[in-house]
Amino acid sequence: DGGITQSPKYLFRKEGQNVTLSCEQNLNHDAMYWYRQDPGQGLRLIYYSQIVNDFQKGDIAEGYSVSREKKESFPLTVTSAQKNPTAFYLCASSIGDREETQYFGPGTRLLVL
Amino acid sequence: QKEVEQNSGPLSVPEGAIASLNCTYSDRGSQSFFWYRQYSGKSPELIMFIYSNGDKEDGRFTAQLNKASQYVSLLIRDSQPSDSATYLCAVQRAGSYQLTFGKGTKLSVIP
Repeated sequence: DGGITQSPKYLFRKEGQNVTLSCEQNLNHDAMYWYRQDPGQGLRLIYYSQIVNDFQKGDIAEGYSVSREKKESFPLTVTSAQKNPTAFYLCASSIGDREETQYFGPGTRLLVL
Repeated sequence: QKEVEQNSGPLSVPEGAIASLNCTYSDRGSQSFFWYRQYSGKSPELIMFIYSNGDKEDGRFTAQLNKASQYVSLLIRDSQPSDSATYLCAVQRAGSYQLTFGKGTKLSVIP
């Protein structure tokens, strides 16, 4: 089955800790995205990547980092600099043409201990 | 500041009725428009996209776009309790990878 997988489903972070959220896709999509969703809010773009080894900041990149070493994978690290990390994190992908539809993974819910 | 506005609801409709969800956007350079459905605790799933002025129908769903009025809507005919969810409107500027999302409208279909 083709699709987008995210792991873990739930993640707990301690103060001062960096954590990494995984996103993998087997759709052969070139573009991948990370969004953050807070309760009652729309999705906000953190980072996106159009091709391997290249990525751009979105609207709320501070306190986050990404890498794109493989086409299939786009992990997101939530650093200790992100002071309010509790949110629902969604990874998405699209074919790569700028106006193509984005499809979402199941999400990771990050909670702070 | 690009904005996408949706009434947060909840919008309650009886089973079998037509649900009408509305979205306005501020960026006149917007070219592509998407409707996603999001069940509580789940990720968004695409319902429809529309690029041209007018109506686009897919089963029980109809998307309507009016670029002059900067308005896009989603009609759900013969609403079912399983349609109860939050509906997110997303807008994409021509030539951009970025989607701008509204906060969503919560729909409740009453049996």
